[in-house]
Amino acid sequence: DAKTTQPPSMDCAEGRAANLPCNHSTISGNEYVYWYRQIHSQGPQYIIHGLKNNETNEMASLIITEDRKSSTLILPHATLRDTAVYYCIVRGDSNYQLIWGAGTKLIIKP
Amino acid sequence: DAEITQSPRHKITETGRQVTLACHQTWNHNNMFWYRQDLGHGLRLIHYSYGVQDTNKGEVSDGYSVSRSNTEDLPLTLESAASSQTSVYFCASSHLVGTEAFFGQGTRLTVV
Repeated sequence: DAKTTQPPSMDCAEGRAANLPCNHSTISGNEYVYWYRQIHSQGPQYIIHGLKNNETNEMASLIITEDRKSSTLILPHATLRDTAVYYCIVRGDSNYQLIWGAGTKLIIKP
Repeated sequence: DAEITQSPRHKITETGRQVTLACHQTWNHNNMFWYRQDLGHGLRLIHYSYGVQDTNKGEVSDGYSVSRSNTEDLPLTLESAASSQTSVYFCASSHLVGTEAFFGQGTRLTVV
């Protein structure tokens, strides 16, 4: 079973920040939080990952709460091309496998 | 540029036939993975490999096999295709355990 909980869908206006929440209340101390996205019919694309500190790269920012039970992916200026299913994943505690849930379908509206 | 490619992109086969899906990566990654994705769901791990001659079963490995004879390739074989194996299959590779994985474009397999 997936170790994360995400809302099934969200809308965001083009040009605004998209904030995607994720709950991972059973995360272990040495487990990372990963975010991937999947644009329709394509292979998943890596976005960002983190352990406990906030992370930022050219695509997004990842904010992890101090207790590490939840996190938020932030796309600072959403565009129509950001419409996709976003997956929050906690790295598996054996063999470092990624365990995927159903994700959040993010729709960016003009 | 380095890449990961899957072939074929689309395949229709009959129940009971053996089918092999190809995955080739030029990243020189040790780790390779096969997933399946059914409509409206996330990915489920079928098999994975951490290097040449190494293969491991994932959560949905029944009816599938893989072999790793070199770094670049991890072919996925369906020994006797079943309608329940109709799905989209994704191959992925990563450099180090736990680092970002790069995915192929997927193979859509239909078993009739």
